[in-house]
Amino acid sequence: GAVVSQHPSRVICKSGTSVKIECRSLDFQATTMFWYRQFPKQSLMLMATSNEGSKATYEQGVEKDKFLINHASLTLSTLTVTSAHPEDSSFYICSARGSGVSGANVLTFGAGSRLTVL
Amino acid sequence: GENVEQHPSTLSVQEGDSAVIKCTYSDSASNYFPWYKQELGKGPQLIIDIRSNVGEKKDQRIAVTLNKTAKHFSLHITETQPEDSAVYFCAASEADSWGKLQFGAGTQVVVTP
Repeated sequence: GAVVSQHPSRVICKSGTSVKIECRSLDFQATTMFWYRQFPKQSLMLMATSNEGSKATYEQGVEKDKFLINHASLTLSTLTVTSAHPEDSSFYICSARGSGVSGANVLTFGAGSRLTVL
Repeated sequence: GENVEQHPSTLSVQEGDSAVIKCTYSDSASNYFPWYKQELGKGPQLIIDIRSNVGEKKDQRIAVTLNKTAKHFSLHITETQPEDSAVYFCAASEADSWGKLQFGAGTQVVVTP
């Protein structure tokens, strides 16, 4: 249980275009989702926290107009990288927090999305 | 905010030996400390976690210890196997924002046969 599906796993786009990444909780309701970015050989850096039905909270230094986050339902959050540039190329990973079948808190990561901007 | 430091950055061990990775954290309000294993090109996988009301937790070959006073926690892997080779991350989270993780820099573990 507590599975998070992230799509697409890999995406290549041209500079200046926008890319949307989806994060879905498959068997639990995710009241909160977190978005991280990971550059090669580096750690995961938190970008933003999104709560269902409200605006995302962005970490310092993360441009909210560039990284649009929507969490319209308890099972889906999306990250849109707008006007992508080569420096946005990275591994984007989501995690979802919610309650599992037993009622216990769950925190599960997606498999990540590799974005390459040409 | 929370700052998590992790050492060593790389660790090479012989198969069958033990591996130990250490982390320190700065925020005394943190009370949840998970460890993740990440293989190349994949998302992080939780391998063990510990909460601040517990000093030690073990799951087969993996154990984690926590010293709240000193603000450090460690991962111990015994009887290492080649499939244990991966990058391991420690993380910390506060009670009022559980799940919002501050990660350590990671440790590349290589287990040689």
